[in-house]
Amino acid sequence: DGGITQSPKYLFRKEGQNVTLSCEQNLNHDAMYWYRQDPGQGLRLIYYSQIVNDFQKGDIAEGYSVSREKKESFPLTVTSAQKNPTAFYLCASSVDRGYGYTFGSGTRLTVV
Amino acid sequence: RKEVEQDPGPFNVPEGATVAFNCTYSNSASQSFFWYRQDCRKEPKLLMSVYSSGNEDGRFTAQLNRASQYISLLIRDSKLSDSATYLCAVNTRSSGANNLFFGTGTRLTVIP
Repeated sequence: DGGITQSPKYLFRKEGQNVTLSCEQNLNHDAMYWYRQDPGQGLRLIYYSQIVNDFQKGDIAEGYSVSREKKESFPLTVTSAQKNPTAFYLCASSVDRGYGYTFGSGTRLTVV
Repeated sequence: RKEVEQDPGPFNVPEGATVAFNCTYSNSASQSFFWYRQDCRKEPKLLMSVYSSGNEDGRFTAQLNRASQYISLLIRDSKLSDSATYLCAVNTRSSGANNLFFGTGTRLTVIP
């Protein structure tokens, strides 16, 4: 079955540490997205990519980085520059404009 | 002004009731509209797209009012299993990207 796989499901980060969240899709979608969800704040766009080797900053890109070397993969790195990284991170993909997104099951990141 | 706004609720309704949510959007050029359902600590899942002529899927009806810039979701004969947070999403095309803006969600609890 096609879908989006995010891993790990839970991740704990120490202060000053970089961590990478994985997102893989086998839906053959061109566009992929990373969102962050905090309680009461809804989904906020971190980065998006419309094609391989190209990506754009979203509304809250500071402290994050991404890469898009393959169509299927769009990993997100949460760097030590992100001062408040504890959140629920959601990866999504879409086939084209006008279509809704398919989301992965998310990664819960906690700073310890 | 936020791109998309929703009443956060909570809406507590008895089983069998009819409940309606509205979602307003600020960009008159928005072209695609969606309702998502999100269960606690899970990813959002596409419930239905919203078409200009309105559309229905079983107990769920979605409508678009372009003049007043809002979309609505009507749930008839509420079930306990309808308890969830409902997110609206609006596409505001920018530089060709299919970027969706999400509302913060409306929480629904259906009471026995």
